[in-house]
Amino acid sequence: GAGVSQTPSNKVTEKGKYVELRCDPISGHTALYWYRQSLGQGPEFLIYFQGTGAADDSGLPNDRFFAVRPEGSVSTLKIQRTERGDSAVYLCASSSRLAGESGELFFGEGSRLTVL
Amino acid sequence: DAKTTQPTSMDCAEGRAANLPCNHSTISGNEYVYWYRQIHSQGPQYIIHGLKNNETNEMASLIITEDRKSSTLILPHATLRDTAVYYCIVRVRDNYGQNFVFGPGTRLSVLP
Repeated sequence: GAGVSQTPSNKVTEKGKYVELRCDPISGHTALYWYRQSLGQGPEFLIYFQGTGAADDSGLPNDRFFAVRPEGSVSTLKIQRTERGDSAVYLCASSSRLAGESGELFFGEGSRLTVL
Repeated sequence: DAKTTQPTSMDCAEGRAANLPCNHSTISGNEYVYWYRQIHSQGPQYIIHGLKNNETNEMASLIITEDRKSSTLILPHATLRDTAVYYCIVRVRDNYGQNFVFGPGTRLSVLP
């Protein structure tokens, strides 16, 4: 597609359940970022991939959160034993090497997660 | 933690210039100033970036003070569609290992 695609756009789940959020970056973009955004706050960094490897996962809040990017393209953010505090919009962004040098991240529309 | 401070909110009349300030008094010599904006229910969108010279593109102008401790994003003729949260970020360029740290930003309301 033309832009970063995230699915689902909305996810409602119950406390304790497992959730997967998918990000399909712009074709050819090697860098992929996950952010989390709570209401009224700026995006909060979670993890960054360069290719298949996680170059920086320092933003993951705890071991219930995990992300993969097995083929260097699509990425999945996985949240185990969800808690009400996990409710937020999860944003994905990608950049190519050239665009990354200008600082241009391309963001998706986000996946809104609500944990009841 | 974000290295910048911005006003929480600002209003601007439609058709007038919107001037959004940002303080980054601890900026390092190799750090660039980036601006993004986020329209309601959308992901952030890149606007412009600069090091020390003023920059202009089709969206906005960026004015950086000589000591680089502050900058101003200028939208020359604000429209209602410019209503958004504007984020000022400092970051080392070409460092793929460093993420963008977003603060709460400035909520700009363009009024008819």
